[in-house]
Amino acid sequence: RKEVEQDPGPFNVPEGATVAFNCTYSNSASQSFFWYRQDCRKEPKLLMSVYSSGNEDGRFTAQLNRASQYISLLIRDSKLSDSATYLCVVANDYKLSFGAGTTVTVRA
Amino acid sequence: DADVTQTPRNRITKTGKRIMLECSQTKGHDRMYWYRQDPGLGLQLIYYSFDVKDINKGEISDGYSVSRQAQAKFSLSLESAIPNQTALYFCATSDEQGGLNTGELFFGEGSRLTVL
Repeated sequence: RKEVEQDPGPFNVPEGATVAFNCTYSNSASQSFFWYRQDCRKEPKLLMSVYSSGNEDGRFTAQLNRASQYISLLIRDSKLSDSATYLCVVANDYKLSFGAGTTVTVRA
Repeated sequence: DADVTQTPRNRITKTGKRIMLECSQTKGHDRMYWYRQDPGLGLQLIYYSFDVKDINKGEISDGYSVSRQAQAKFSLSLESAIPNQTALYFCATSDEQGGLNTGELFFGEGSRLTVL
């Protein structure tokens, strides 16, 4: 079983829509959680951390459910520039484990 | 200029050839990493180094070796390349608070390697 699993999508949404997707992780002792963004053929970049109480960063909301071992990302009022692959990242011991990513395409 | 620079950016080679991918950084970070990315698999950690004298194997180190020549330089070698090493390779850095704490790795732009 993969340490971090994501629905690959793609999620195709119109501008202004809300899109949400989850990621599940297998290690219940995982310590920290993050979302990265990766544009096509580019390097990944940190989008935001995920805190136990949930947190927002502008139009982005991240939630953590330790009991069910999943984290989620919600994007409100989608922009064309939000089109990217979103990588779920889980920290365990010495390393970060990356999911394969969820692709979001926002259309005009 | 990018803070984390990888060379070459693209390379096509043949089975059995020795290949070196180089990474240099100007961020002043002690920690450096090599990942490979394959479609549908996510980023997998090959090797990591927390300082010049510290080298550690990651999840998929077989067939790879590394050298940390200086704080700013971390190179990845494929001694005898094989087709299933065809992938996109990323170098990354973090400070001591990065990685597990803040989750922030700074990636290079990637090196696309094709082994025929």
